[in-house]
Amino acid sequence: QKEVEQDPGPLSVPEGAIVSLNCTYSNSAFQYFMWYRQYSRKGPELLMYTYSSGNKEDGRFTAQVDKSSKYISLFIRDSQPSDSATYLCAGTGGFKTIFGAGTRLFVKA
Amino acid sequence: KAGVTQTPRYLIKTRGQQVTLSCSPISGHRSVSWYQQTPGQGLQFLFEYFSETQRNKGNFPGRFSGRQFSNSRSEMNVSTLELGDSALYLCASSQGRQRGFLAEQFFGPGTRLTVL
Repeated sequence: QKEVEQDPGPLSVPEGAIVSLNCTYSNSAFQYFMWYRQYSRKGPELLMYTYSSGNKEDGRFTAQVDKSSKYISLFIRDSQPSDSATYLCAGTGGFKTIFGAGTRLFVKA
Repeated sequence: KAGVTQTPRYLIKTRGQQVTLSCSPISGHRSVSWYQQTPGQGLQFLFEYFSETQRNKGNFPGRFSGRQFSNSRSEMNVSTLELGDSALYLCASSQGRQRGFLAEQFFGPGTRLTVL
């Protein structure tokens, strides 16, 4: 079993839709949970992170962590074509960061 | 501030050969991590170096090795290449952290390795 599981998609939505991206994890030692965005032919870039359980909002993006169910979510409101990318969730609990496989998102204009 | 640079960007090798990839971290960053990214397995952790010492290692065979120099630049080497080693190899640098704290990782553009 992978430490972080993520549906690879692809996920295709119309512009303006609310997008929900989800991951599950198994490592109870994880303290920080991150979402990275990766555009084609580029390396991943940190979108936002959450410490332990709870919600964090940044503009159109909201990250949510439920440690009791080991569930990580990213919501994108008013999705734009420029949001089309691969989104990777990750958890870290020490010196090692474990990533999900990434979900490819397509936002159609 | 210059970002993380990786060389070469593209590489084609044949089975049995060996390859060395290079990563220059952001100035002042002492931690360098290497990842392998494939469509099937996603982003998998290879190893992390901090101040020239390997601090953590993923579950890869001994054919995969790395090192870090005193200027924080890092190299990874893959010996006896196999077809399954074809992947995007990403390097990430960070300021390094103590256990329990988060240090943002900045990724380079990667080296695309194709093994024929």
